[in-house]
Amino acid sequence: SYALTQPPSVSVSPGQTASITCSGDKLGDKSAYWYQQRPGQSPVLVIYQDTKRPSGIPERFSGSNSGNTATLTISGTQAMDEADFYCQAWDNDAVIFGGGTKLTVL
Amino acid sequence: DVQLVESGGDLVKPGGSLRVSCAASGFTISGYSMHWVRQAPGKGLEWVSSISTSSTYIYYADSVKGRFTVSRDNAKNSVFLQMNSLRAEDTAVYYCATVTDGGFDYWGQGTLVTVSS
Repeated sequence: SYALTQPPSVSVSPGQTASITCSGDKLGDKSAYWYQQRPGQSPVLVIYQDTKRPSGIPERFSGSNSGNTATLTISGTQAMDEADFYCQAWDNDAVIFGGGTKLTVL
Repeated sequence: DVQLVESGGDLVKPGGSLRVSCAASGFTISGYSMHWVRQAPGKGLEWVSSISTSSTYIYYADSVKGRFTVSRDNAKNSVFLQMNSLRAEDTAVYYCATVTDGGFDYWGQGTLVTVSS
C-alpha cells in the first residue's frame, strides 16, 4: 500500500526558513496537501494541490512537489507556527497521511 | 459560517458498538463528499472512510473495513459512522471533514471514542 514518510521533527530559529519534507513513490505524479495542527485543535489545511494556499493562510507558507518528494516551506518562521504538520495524498480512492512532523521554533 | 459538529463519542467495551454523528451547518452537505478521519491519542491522522454526495461511492480504510459503516442523511445535513466490533486500537478522536479540490478544508472539533474494559 502507498505510504508517505515525514521526518518526526524539525527545528528552526525564529525568522528563519523551515522546510518539512514528505516522501512517497512518484509523489510528484500526485497532488500533495499539507495540514497544520496545533495542540488540542483540529487540523487546518495550509497547502492544497502542491502549491496553493487557502484563503487566510499567510504567504510565508509555500509548497512544492516533484519526483518523490513534496516540501512545505515556512519563510520567516514565527513562534505561532510551532505545531504538528501532516502531508496527505490520494491513492486511488483512499486517503494517505504522512506520519507527521513536529515543528519546533526555538 | 461553515460548521461541523461531531457527537456520540463515548467509552465502550471491546467488541461493542457505537454510532457517531456529524451535523453540518452553514452549507448543504448534498453538494459535498464527506469524510471521517481519526487520531489516536498522541498519534497522527488516519483516514477512516469517505462517502460520495448521493452515497453511491463509499470507501473504507483496511483497518475498519467490515466493521464500520458510513452513511449520510442529506435532508438532515448529517453524516454518521456506525462502528461495530470495536477494538482498543479504535480509540481515537474522530473528525468529520469536507473535501474541496482534494484537500480537507473544513474539520469538526472531533468526538472522542474510547474502547476499554
